[in-house]
Amino acid sequence: GAGVSQSPRYKVAKRGQDVALRCDPISGHVSLFWYQQALGQGPEFLTYFQNEAQLDKSGLPSDRFFAERPEGSVSTLKIQRTQQEDSAVYLCASSQGGRGPSTDTQYFGPGTRLTVL
Amino acid sequence: SQQGEEDPQALSIQEGENATMNCSYKTSINNLQWYRQNSGRGLVHLILIRSNEREKHSGRLRVTLDTSKKSSSLLITASRAADTASYFCATDGHSNYQLIWGAGTKLIIKP
Repeated sequence: GAGVSQSPRYKVAKRGQDVALRCDPISGHVSLFWYQQALGQGPEFLTYFQNEAQLDKSGLPSDRFFAERPEGSVSTLKIQRTQQEDSAVYLCASSQGGRGPSTDTQYFGPGTRLTVL
Repeated sequence: SQQGEEDPQALSIQEGENATMNCSYKTSINNLQWYRQNSGRGLVHLILIRSNEREKHSGRLRVTLDTSKKSSSLLITASRAADTASYFCATDGHSNYQLIWGAGTKLIIKP
């Protein structure tokens, strides 16, 4: 079956522009995670959805970052008024259950590389 | 914030040799996971070891965990070119839904 897909794969934005990054999780997966990965670093947790409910958004770095999953499937991460420090790879992952990544294996998408000029 | 620290940052070995990577963490954990990331397949879960386990095997992978030293090691035996990747450890985080990741070890297997 299809894995997690993300679009676009690459995005170049001018500073101050708004961007929207899309994640299509594996069909039927309850959990969806967003991570930010800077060059040469490990992923950093941004937010978690269980179906359509956003249960943890403590990792979002500022109020310019907003995520939604309105129907419990596709999710969008929106960044408003992008800054250069937002340049990173944004990874999406999904897992079948709702028990968290310590119990349910996460499956990652290929990521969206965002470059803010 | 990153909890795990992998060591070494980079490792280059000949194909067929064994590769060992280490991860240290700061706070007590329930479990620790290892992941591999390469350009071809993205980020992939390799193995999870729980805090009450000391060693775990999966194919050519062997993971150890020493909770008294807050450290883990990942051993890849008989390395192959396809093992070239970055390897990350991740521990359970501040909530049930978070993982805290290290900065990774970049492994290069030379043919």
